[in-house]
Amino acid sequence: DIQMTQSPSSLSASVGDRVTIACRASQTIHSYLNWYQQKPLKAPKLLIYGASSLQIGVPSRFSGSGSGTDFTLTINSLQPEDFATYYCQQTYTSPFTFGGGTKVEFK
Amino acid sequence: QVQLQESGPGLVKPSQTLSLTCTVTSGSISSANYYWNWIRQPAGKGPEWIGRIYTSGSTNYNPSLKSRVTMSLDTSKNQFSLKLSSVTAADTAVYYCARGWTGLRSDCFDYWGQGTLVTVSS
Repeated sequence: DIQMTQSPSSLSASVGDRVTIACRASQTIHSYLNWYQQKPLKAPKLLIYGASSLQIGVPSRFSGSGSGTDFTLTINSLQPEDFATYYCQQTYTSPFTFGGGTKVEFK
Repeated sequence: QVQLQESGPGLVKPSQTLSLTCTVTSGSISSANYYWNWIRQPAGKGPEWIGRIYTSGSTNYNPSLKSRVTMSLDTSKNQFSLKLSSVTAADTAVYYCARGWTGLRSDCFDYWGQGTLVTVSS
């Protein structure tokens, strides 16, 4: 199985901050990398697919980059509704696997 | 907008079979370019992909669960289902269904159900 490692596992930030979350795959996954946002007691919500494509309806302050094994999710100007847990997911090969999550907390 | 809704028992006894159904509305389960997934998430942990079923009926399961998983599709009802046999407490989790979409150099889960908690306990 491809292992997905996210860092950090948690971070504290303030409204207006720029936040960066990293995700590393244990082998190349090309651009088959997605990012999801999950709030408590809610289903994950797709933010970014194909490493850098913004899902329809997602604010443009979210962006993704990377290819191969190293990827980044950036949130520019963090908003109150962005405090949540973020997961990366690889869909290059089965079984599809998720990272351990990064919890973005209020500083 | 496509909506997915999980249904099934919230409590299953150890060694029994967990059975869930996902009903898809505002979209056909037979649409091309889509496939249908089950994912679970134990409390406080990350999601785990269980498997998927294509509109053709072919399936692809996570090897860690493959011996106990069966997925099926009912196009007449616009539903797909999950059966997980010989459950233990380790199978206690929130279970989600989700639509998978395949694009150019990408593959993602764009619509999810709200999730249903299944507890394995006697």
